[in-house]
Amino acid sequence: DQQVKQNSPSLSVQEGRISILNCDYTNSMFDYFLWYKKYPAEGPTFLISISSIKDKNEDGRFTVFLNKSAKHLSLHIVPSQPGDSAVYFCAALRSGGGKLIFGQGTELSVKP
Amino acid sequence: DAGVTQSPTHLIKTRGQQVTLRCSPKSGHDTVSWYQQALGQGPQFIFQYYEEEERQRGNFPDRFSGHQFPNYSSELNVNALLLGDSALYLCASSLGFAGTNYGYTFGSGTRLTVV
Repeated sequence: DQQVKQNSPSLSVQEGRISILNCDYTNSMFDYFLWYKKYPAEGPTFLISISSIKDKNEDGRFTVFLNKSAKHLSLHIVPSQPGDSAVYFCAALRSGGGKLIFGQGTELSVKP
Repeated sequence: DAGVTQSPTHLIKTRGQQVTLRCSPKSGHDTVSWYQQALGQGPQFIFQYYEEEERQRGNFPDRFSGHQFPNYSSELNVNALLLGDSALYLCASSLGFAGTNYGYTFGSGTRLTVV
C-alpha cells in the first residue's frame, strides 16, 4: 500500500522558469510533510517541510503548498536553476512516529 | 562537525551470504534509522534504534536485524541474502526517538549488490 505517491518520475524545466513537483498521500493521520533533494552518490538532504495545520510554507526560492482536502502537496521552485537538477522525494511523518514514508521520487532536470 | 558516516560505500555479496553495514550518527544525535532504497524507488523504512533497542520496524523479514551500541553507532545485518536485497541502504540519525519534522540527517548510503 503506497501511502505517499509521486506520479511523475521526471520533469524537465527551463532555467529561470517555475518547477512544480507534486505529491499525493492517502493517510490523513500524517502530521508533517517533508521534501528531500538527492544527488547521485549522496544521501537525501532536507529541503523544506510543512505541518498539516498549515497550507503554505516558504523558504527562499522554495514553497510548499498543502491541500488537505485533496490529500495533495506540491513543491514550487522559482526561479529554477541548473543546480536544482536532482531527484526530489516527498515524505510524510506522524508525530511521535519517527518513521518517514517516502514517495517514489521525481527527477528534475533544469536546462540552461 | 561530521555528519552521518556509513561504511562500506559499496559491497558485492553472493546469494545466501550474510552482510553487515555500519553507521555512525551525526554528533549529538542518539537515534538511528535504516532505510532500503531499491532502484527507481523511494527509501523504505527498515527499523529504528534508540537507547540500544529496536523501537519501530517496517515491513521487512527477520533476515534483517540490527544493533545499536552505547556510542549510538549502529549496524544493519542481513542474513541469507537474496538478489532482491540489492539496493542502496541509507542510515538516518536524529535526536530522540520521536524525531522532529526535519531533524533527520541521512548518510550517503551503502550500495549493496547481491550476485
